[in-house]
Amino acid sequence: DAKTTQPNSMESNEEEPVHLPCNHSTISGTDYIHWYRQLPSQGPEYVIHGLTSNVNNRMASLAIAEDRKSSTLILHRATLRDAAVYYCILRPYSGGGADGLTFGKGTHLIIQP
Amino acid sequence: AAGVIQSPRHLIKEKRETATLKCYPIPRHDTVYWYQQGPGQDPQFLISFYEKMQSDKGSIPDRFSAQQFSDYHSELNMSSLELGDSALYFCASSLKPGNYGYTFGSGTRLTVV
Repeated sequence: DAKTTQPNSMESNEEEPVHLPCNHSTISGTDYIHWYRQLPSQGPEYVIHGLTSNVNNRMASLAIAEDRKSSTLILHRATLRDAAVYYCILRPYSGGGADGLTFGKGTHLIIQP
Repeated sequence: AAGVIQSPRHLIKEKRETATLKCYPIPRHDTVYWYQQGPGQDPQFLISFYEKMQSDKGSIPDRFSAQQFSDYHSELNMSSLELGDSALYFCASSLKPGNYGYTFGSGTRLTVV
């Protein structure tokens, strides 16, 4: 599986935007970029995913570089509830198979009040 | 909205015993994934099922087996338990394989003593 690189931790202030970077220089043309987060003592939670174009949903935005070798998860206005470990995961196009996600180390996001 | 239901929430077993964990996916979801998360570690993919057939296999020990039933619920059977099997076990489900987000359950915490 193609590998992703994320900072170990980041810190931000409440009510400010947060930009979480992810490098995936070996991404292939059929890899989707998925983001999940895991709050303490909970199961991972789907945040957003995309292929080439930037994506927005009610939780976050995903900005994908033109060469697709990096992406940024954007939380527009962080709250204390956004404190979690954020995982950037490349998922090959399944072609019908239920492929498992490969979780890397993730970024531990700390939100200061 | 209905979520992924896992049971039991907590389980304590002795070494060499067996354990069975259950997962009930979101209604209409036909794909189930199992993950193991050791203390201080990231989730590791174990195995997945689509339409009651095994689809993908990760780092699942030979002592573990799993299946998906006709109602799409899944069970993870663990035999000859070892202390190192103590972990959180998450189940996730999705609507057919493909590039959809997965919904994770709250997990079963297995403690082997």
